[in-house]
Amino acid sequence: AQRVTQPEKLLSVFKGAPVELKCNYSYSGSPELFWYVQYSRQRLQLLLRHISRESIKGFTADLNKGETSFHLKKPFAQEEDSAMYYCALLFEANNLFFGTGTRLTVIP
Amino acid sequence: DTEVTQTPKHLVMGMTNKKSLKCEQHMGHRAMYWYKQKAKKPPELMFVYSYEKLSINESVPSRFSPECPNSSLLNLHLHALQPEDSALYLCASSQGGLGNTIYFGEGSWLTVV
Repeated sequence: AQRVTQPEKLLSVFKGAPVELKCNYSYSGSPELFWYVQYSRQRLQLLLRHISRESIKGFTADLNKGETSFHLKKPFAQEEDSAMYYCALLFEANNLFFGTGTRLTVIP
Repeated sequence: DTEVTQTPKHLVMGMTNKKSLKCEQHMGHRAMYWYKQKAKKPPELMFVYSYEKLSINESVPSRFSPECPNSSLLNLHLHALQPEDSALYLCASSQGGLGNTIYFGEGSWLTVV
């Protein structure tokens, strides 16, 4: 069975500090991993997908198959990064399974 | 048009009512989804339609009945709901298949009284 673990429910960092949101997964097949973000009163939106290896809003995430991790990182946090972040695993082509989420607060 | 549109945004219904949630996308996506999100919880998959056919039903109670009239529309018919069914219901769509990205609507807030 698949599992996505986000160990931190809440994470607070100061503006300008580095931020890392952890995500570990368990899946027997070849994983497709995503980070979704939900800003206050906005829809859930895609932030990153591992296969595109791009940087969005300064965030990056690298898939580490050895450690089964897909941590989200940003070198300098901004106040507008405060939001709910979900790591998600796509399997069976159309089944997107979410982790429990991490609420990030960036302190001015 | 890169949006998934859901109506209504808010719905209050009694336990004996019949109502429907509607979802529309015009991105040419062939897969459409219903997710349920309770407060402070992640979204949970309910149903997936692929090419207008129901492909995944995550053991959802029969009081929730999905319908896909065409490739752009997805409905969720609600009947005899319970107060614990109160939640945010999210519709989503994607091209389907490996490597696809799933796009979400803003959701419909449902309160069952």
